[in-house]
This record gives sequence, structure tokens and C-alpha cells, in this order.
Amino acid sequence: GQQVMQIPQYQHVQEGEDFTTYCNSSTTLSNIQWYKQRPGGHPVFLIQLVKSGEVKKQKRLTFQFGEAKKNSSLHITATQTTDVGTYFCANSGAGSYQLTFGKGTKLSVIP
Amino acid sequence: EAQVTQNPRYLITVTGKKLTVTCSQNMNHEYMSWYRQDPGLGLRQIYYSMNVEVTDKGDVPEGYKVSRKEKRNFPLILESPSPNQTSLYFCASTRGSEQYFGPGTRLTVT
Repeated sequence: GQQVMQIPQYQHVQEGEDFTTYCNSSTTLSNIQWYKQRPGGHPVFLIQLVKSGEVKKQKRLTFQFGEAKKNSSLHITATQTTDVGTYFCANSGAGSYQLTFGKGTKLSVIP
Repeated sequence: EAQVTQNPRYLITVTGKKLTVTCSQNMNHEYMSWYRQDPGLGLRQIYYSMNVEVTDKGDVPEGYKVSRKEKRNFPLILESPSPNQTSLYFCASTRGSEQYFGPGTRLTVT
């Protein structure tokens, strides 16, 4: 996959506040995946986006893929302490299973 | 229960002592891979396997070997471990676009 930059690296929010992490590429991406890794745990697949401008929702999580397919975002509404962890974006080349991960955004939620 | 298992979960070893980390999946997935995770560097792919007897290098293959003699197993071999291979290792298997990760193996090489 293509190299992707994730920002911010860290984010501390008060419980109930919203949170957004961004994943950016200098080149067009075939797809973007998002994973969550809880402290001490392993990455868990959340979703894959493949279409330009695609928006998907999972309860309080909203995932977007940019129109140019060069960026993506994950937005969490009204964070809870269960949202704590590191969120990674990843992508693979067209027709490939080989994933390249961003460095992740570590979310802390202050109760 | 569908799962990826890794053993051992924790290992402390000395430089140069050959070791193997096992990985097994019960989901009949063809594609499996190994990653290492280091602070500030995220997850980096070491090796991957498209199917039995088909393996290829990922982004950081130096110092590692793999084999895929059966579909369910994909062991990671460190022939002569060095301290820079101290890391958290994850095995994963893939169905479609979704990767299922094992629980991780924390390796320390002194």
C-alpha cells in the first residue's frame, strides 16, 4: 500500500467531547481501512472504504473517504471511556492484501 | 470460535539463540502475515503468505524467516535474534478485506 500520514499523534479529550483523526496520502488510495487497538490488545478491524466520497457510520463512529481518495477521517461523537485506544488507518494496493499502516492516533478520554 | 493464536505470548531470550513464534488460524484463510509494532513506528509488515508454500517479503524482512507448509500455520523464525528485534509481534490472517490479528507476542532480546 501507499504511505499514509496520520494526525494527530495523540489526542486527549474530556468524556462527551467529539474526536477526529485524519489519514492523508500524497497519492490516490485504492482503499482505506480503519483499526482500533485497545491498550495491551491487538488491532481490531473496524471498516473498509473503497469509493470516492464514501461515508459509513457505526453507531457513534463516522468514517469518510475523500473525494480525491487521498484522505480519510474517523470521527467519534460524544466519546466514552470505552473509546480509549489507538486508531490506525491502513491501505493496500489494488488487488493486493499487503497492508501499509499509518502510525496511529492515540486517544485518551478523561472521565 | 474463529481466532488466530500465537505462542509464546511473552519471550525473553539472548542474542543469537534461534527461536520460533508460532501462529495458527482456524478460519481456513489463505492469506496470512506477520507484523512488528514498535513505539512511534506503528505496524510494519515483515512477511506475508498468499497460500501454502507461497511467501513473500513485506517492508522489514531482514533477520526473519517464515514457512507455510499448512494453510492454518505460519511460523515466524528468528535464526539469530538481535536486540533490535525486541518488539511486539502480531500474526494476522485475512478474509476479504478484513484482517484478524492474533493476541501478540512480546519479544525481548538481550
